Amino acid sequence: KAGVTQTPRYLIKTRGQQVTLSCSPISGHRSVSWYQQTPGQGLQFLFEYFSETQRNKGNFPGRFSGRQFSNSRSEMNVSTLELGDSALYLCASSRLAGAGTDTQYFGPGTRLTVL
Amino acid sequence: AQKITQTQPGMFVQEKEAVTLDCTYDTSDQSYGLFWYKQPSSGEMIFLIYQGSYDEQNATEGRYSLNFQKARKSANLVISASQLGDSAMYFCAMSPLSSNTGKLIFGQGTTLQVKP
Repeated sequence: KAGVTQTPRYLIKTRGQQVTLSCSPISGHRSVSWYQQTPGQGLQFLFEYFSETQRNKGNFPGRFSGRQFSNSRSEMNVSTLELGDSALYLCASSRLAGAGTDTQYFGPGTRLTVL
Repeated sequence: AQKITQTQPGMFVQEKEAVTLDCTYDTSDQSYGLFWYKQPSSGEMIFLIYQGSYDEQNATEGRYSLNFQKARKSANLVISASQLGDSAMYFCAMSPLSSNTGKLIFGQGTTLQVKP
């Protein structure tokens, strides 16, 4: 079974630009969550999607948005990029939504650098 | 507040020896899941082991075992017979069931280096 895939793997943008990251979950998984990882803040939850609906959102500004499609693939968008948005963005998929027993499997991440 | 604490920023272990990575958690929930993930330098988070709060037995997965002490709110990861490929960052994470969300709360991580 193929794992979680994320594209692109690396991205370099300049301040003020916007970026879209893509995540394809494991086949049969309907829940997708996004996390931001930085050396200073560690791993922080961004959002969770299930059946095309955002179920939960972390404490991030409105510049961070996401969506999920009917095939469970998800995208996240960051508008008006700031230097502090440089991070590793990880996507995780699981079968169920909101179930603390359900393991989340992560993709390889997209490393975003904002210059 | 729900929180995961990993007090060991970095650890060394000799190849073939066992090592314990510490994790304590704070939650008022009665039902929760505890997870350990490994993150090599490539960045991908690899799932290692899961422990449910109502599981009476400690979880084991191959060379990984979870030393779960509910009363002390600790969920330490034990890696037996360390291998060079175990060198990585290790994260402890929690997901409270009552929050009805898949959100994982992560600790700050422990960097493990295995010496030949």
